[in-house]
Amino acid sequence: QKEVEQNSGPLSVPEGAIASLNCTYSDRVSQSFFWYRQYSGKSPELIMSIYSNGDKEDGRFTAQLNKASQYVSLLIRDSQPSDSATYLCAVIRGRDAGNKLTFGGGTRVLVKP
Amino acid sequence: DADVTQTPRNRITKTGKRIMLECSQTKGHDRMYWYRQDPGLGLRLIYYSFDVKDINKGEISDGYSVSRQAQAKFSLSLESAIPNQTALYFCATSDLGRVYGYTFGSGTRLTVV
Repeated sequence: QKEVEQNSGPLSVPEGAIASLNCTYSDRVSQSFFWYRQYSGKSPELIMSIYSNGDKEDGRFTAQLNKASQYVSLLIRDSQPSDSATYLCAVIRGRDAGNKLTFGGGTRVLVKP
Repeated sequence: DADVTQTPRNRITKTGKRIMLECSQTKGHDRMYWYRQDPGLGLRLIYYSFDVKDINKGEISDGYSVSRQAQAKFSLSLESAIPNQTALYFCATSDLGRVYGYTFGSGTRLTVV
């Protein structure tokens, strides 16, 4: 079992719709969770971080964390063609003094006009 | 100027050659990381460093070595490059990583022929 798992996609979404991305993690005591957006050939860009159960909203993005079920999700509202990218879920595991990020394989999102 | 600068941006090298990838940062962060990215595999940690005297192996360190020349500089070397080291390489830095995540460089695309 991979430490951080994502559906590779592509997730095809009509412009203006909601894109829903999921990520599961194996370490029950993971403590910090991040969503990065990565355009093809570019570096990852942090878009959301979440640390406690529940929802966190920032503009068109909402991150949701459920530690009991060990999943974190990202919702993109009013999806735009510029949101077409790969979204990487990253986790800092519990008891990790190095604060090392462990990444999922990424979900490719395609927003169609 | 970018906060985290990687050189070169692109490199083609032959099997068996030694190559060095360089990373410098102006963020003043103590922690620096080298990741490689392969399609569908997300980012995997090669090496990381907490300060000049603290170097640690990541999950895929075989075939690589690093040098932390100063707080701001962290270099990755491939002593004898092989084709399966063809990948996109990223340097990253963090301060309070579990809170703020990482800042990534623009990446180095390395091709070993």
